[in-house]
Amino acid sequence: EVQLVESGGGLVKPGGSLRLSCAASGFIFSEYSMNWVRQAPGKGLEWVSSITHNSNYKDYADAVKGRFTVSKDSAKNSLYLQMNSLRDEDTGVYFCARARGNDWYSDYWGQGTLVTVSS
Amino acid sequence: QSALTQPPSASGSPGQSVTISCTGASDDVGGYNYVSWYQQHPGKAPKLMIYDVSQRPSGVPDRFSGSKSGNTASLIVSGLQAEDEADYYCSSYANSRVIFGGGTQLTVL
Repeated sequence: EVQLVESGGGLVKPGGSLRLSCAASGFIFSEYSMNWVRQAPGKGLEWVSSITHNSNYKDYADAVKGRFTVSKDSAKNSLYLQMNSLRDEDTGVYFCARARGNDWYSDYWGQGTLVTVSS
Repeated sequence: QSALTQPPSASGSPGQSVTISCTGASDDVGGYNYVSWYQQHPGKAPKLMIYDVSQRPSGVPDRFSGSKSGNTASLIVSGLQAEDEADYYCSSYANSRVIFGGGTQLTVL
């Protein structure tokens, strides 16, 4: 059974940093690309970042480019999102998801971890 | 890249059919057969319902179907059931990125 479990969320002040983790199990992690998607309170889904199975290619939404860094450790079956220079508008639930196909649709999702940026 | 446009709400009675639209542009929805749809119940993670415009993952009821014409994709839910009441999001690939629609709240009357 595919399982994705996010952790690392919490309360952080504007300008601060946070590192999210996503522990994967039930599939061969090294063979899959992964996505991060976030959802602000009461709002819709927003794509944040994607990373290919071998970490050779990474992409980011304009809203986070230059501040967030995605990485993947296949030895630990884990996906990470390093978030720096956090802003109020980064507040929300962050989901990791397994990516499929050439279009990176997400076939399995974690339950999410809440990030709150507030002074 | 702008968000895809979805109606904020849709509704139907049990047993009826409902169609939710998702309008984009020629460089996202219209340019690729890479539209996916997600169902999200309150407080839960999204669930993949349709990928690549009209493909249904294993386990998703065949009451859910997808189509596309030009820059507009559609999710059709036939034989509405109470458990279909949820938020639905479309998504499209666009030049190595992913964009989502604003979401549609589906109410089963």
